[in-house]
Amino acid sequence: KQEVTQIPAALSVPEGENLVLNCSFTDSAIYNLQWFRQDPGKGLTSLLLIQSSQREQTSGRLNASLDKSSGRSTLYIAASQPGDSATYLCAVPYNQGGKLIFGQGTELSVKP
Amino acid sequence: EPEVTQTPSHQVTQMGQEVILRCVPISNHLYFYWYRQILGQKVEFLVSFYNNEISEKSEIFDDQFSVERPDGSNFTLKIRSTKLEDSAMYFCASSEWDRNTEAFFGQGTRLTVV
Repeated sequence: KQEVTQIPAALSVPEGENLVLNCSFTDSAIYNLQWFRQDPGKGLTSLLLIQSSQREQTSGRLNASLDKSSGRSTLYIAASQPGDSATYLCAVPYNQGGKLIFGQGTELSVKP
Repeated sequence: EPEVTQTPSHQVTQMGQEVILRCVPISNHLYFYWYRQILGQKVEFLVSFYNNEISEKSEIFDDQFSVERPDGSNFTLKIRSTKLEDSAMYFCASSEWDRNTEAFFGQGTRLTVV
């Protein structure tokens, strides 16, 4: 059974810092891993999809890495801004049908 | 940019009433999903739908739940007799294909059962 864990549960940083969010999964036989952003009371916005054959994926100030063998992914946010404050979720598809298993999220607060 | 849209954004209903949550997936997508998130908990899978039939459902998705694609654009989730514990944020998602493609989520419907 696939389980996804995110550490830390909450993170507070001053503006401008680079930061890393962690995601781990128990079954390394994944097809891909997706990172999402969720603003309070809002929907999920897809940030990055990293395929199992990839090591990294970049979008602007975001960089996601994937190490299947160790069951880990990291989301690196460069030069953080107050507008980055949100909850960040990682998820992996569990089977062929694409059902996603989510972590509990990391709540990020970037202070001006 | 194409997006998944959900209506209503917030619904309050009395226990025992039927509710229908509506979604318009991205037009060229083939897989559709419903997820829910109880306040403070993880996002959890309810059901996936492909080729006009359910492809997978979770233990949560019991006989009180049903899904339908009544026309070429809408995808609905019906809860026949709502319970207090059905109060949650319900998300619709779609993907172009299955496990290898990116899933796009709507903004959610907050369901409050009183």
